[in-house]
Amino acid sequence: DTGVSQNPRHKITKRGQNVTFRCDPISEHNRLYWYRQTLGQGPEFLTYFQNEAQLEKSRLLSDRFSAERPKGSFSTLEIQRTEQGDSAMYLCASSSTHRTGTLEQYFGPGTRLTVT
Amino acid sequence: GENVEQHPSTLSVQEGDSAVIKCTYSDSASNYFPWYKQELGKRPQLIIDIRSNVGEKKDQRIAVTLNKTAKHFSLHITETQPEDSAVYFCAASEDSGGGADGLTFGKGTHLIIQP
Repeated sequence: DTGVSQNPRHKITKRGQNVTFRCDPISEHNRLYWYRQTLGQGPEFLTYFQNEAQLEKSRLLSDRFSAERPKGSFSTLEIQRTEQGDSAMYLCASSSTHRTGTLEQYFGPGTRLTVT
Repeated sequence: GENVEQHPSTLSVQEGDSAVIKCTYSDSASNYFPWYKQELGKRPQLIIDIRSNVGEKKDQRIAVTLNKTAKHFSLHITETQPEDSAVYFCAASEDSGGGADGLTFGKGTHLIIQP
């Protein structure tokens, strides 16, 4: 499968613990995005990278959240000191700026986080 | 920042009829408007998108129209089929450097196709 992959698919953690998610984009896609989706809502943008550079962060992104893409390929999203309000589906998407004519962001299957 | 409003939240239509979903956006800098379909438990998938230099785009039974002056865009699905049942999201973003910035999504429309 050459699509966007995310691991783990499910994560249950206790409040106050740290969690880390991984996203592997489509090969050769240079942009990688993180979104959060809660039940009954549209995805909410968190941050995105072009290669290694983090180009944009949502003002809603708490300082407990940090994302990295050290080699411009996979990315990790870490949440420190988790709170129950962090329970959501965390979606990753990727796109390419080299393909003329399309701006499509391809989404991964998501990581469902439950904070107890 | 950008704000996207989407209506209606639920839409029920008879199979074979047309469905229309409407969105408005607030940031005049937005110039890329995709529509995503999300089935229960699945990832969002792009069904059609439009850029601000185009007023209308069509792909088989699906069409999108854009009115930049009024800052609204709409999704039209004709000859609806049971497999069209899903949640549809509109989104807006700015095209920068050959790619889209982070998307701002609407809250979604649950489309129900009645047999």
